[in-house]
Amino acid sequence: QQQVKQSPQSLIVQKGGISIINCAYENTAFDYFPWYQQFPGKGPALLIAIRPDVSEKKEGRFTISFNKSAKQFSLHIMDSQPGDSATYFCAASRGRDDKIIFGKGTRLHILP
Amino acid sequence: DTAVSQTPKYLVTQMGNDKSIKCEQNLGHDTMYWYKQDSKKFLKIMFSYNNKELIINETVPNRFSPKSPDKAHLNLHINSLELGDSAVYFCASRGRGEAFFGQGTRLTVV
Repeated sequence: QQQVKQSPQSLIVQKGGISIINCAYENTAFDYFPWYQQFPGKGPALLIAIRPDVSEKKEGRFTISFNKSAKQFSLHIMDSQPGDSATYFCAASRGRDDKIIFGKGTRLHILP
Repeated sequence: DTAVSQTPKYLVTQMGNDKSIKCEQNLGHDTMYWYKQDSKKFLKIMFSYNNKELIINETVPNRFSPKSPDKAHLNLHINSLELGDSAVYFCASRGRGEAFFGQGTRLTVV
């Protein structure tokens, strides 16, 4: 049973475009939703995170949109750059110390 | 001053051998994890420790034995290595909700 479903598996976007990655979760007890960025040969790095008491969080070119009733959240990357090419993971967790459950990842490629 | 450091970065070994991966964090976090990333990049939780105590063991074969000598260290020992153990293993620590990952250990069993 996959608790966090992520789509698409891969995404190609032109430089300057908007990249959108979607995730859905099942467990309503989840209360922390981070996004991680992973470059080849590196560990996942925390990009941005949201809690369910807000519907949107923005940090620079990265925005999380959160829909609690639909149990969905998404990452938007504005003005996508070639340096954003990486694998992105959505995730969910219950409580401050509980395990973090990851989606299967989206391989993003930004065309120069 | 790396926050979460793992050693070694690469590990190539023969089937049947026993190996260990070490992890240290300098963030002062109470919670540490081991994750396995397979060839399809899927990140799966293996173990979770809180203040040196095992909290989660996600149906990992008992050939895998984590050990936490103190809350800054979480090591992973693997006995009788199998071909299917080949993967990248990540250590992570978590504090105030945020989790930080090490650079990973690529284990190749031949």
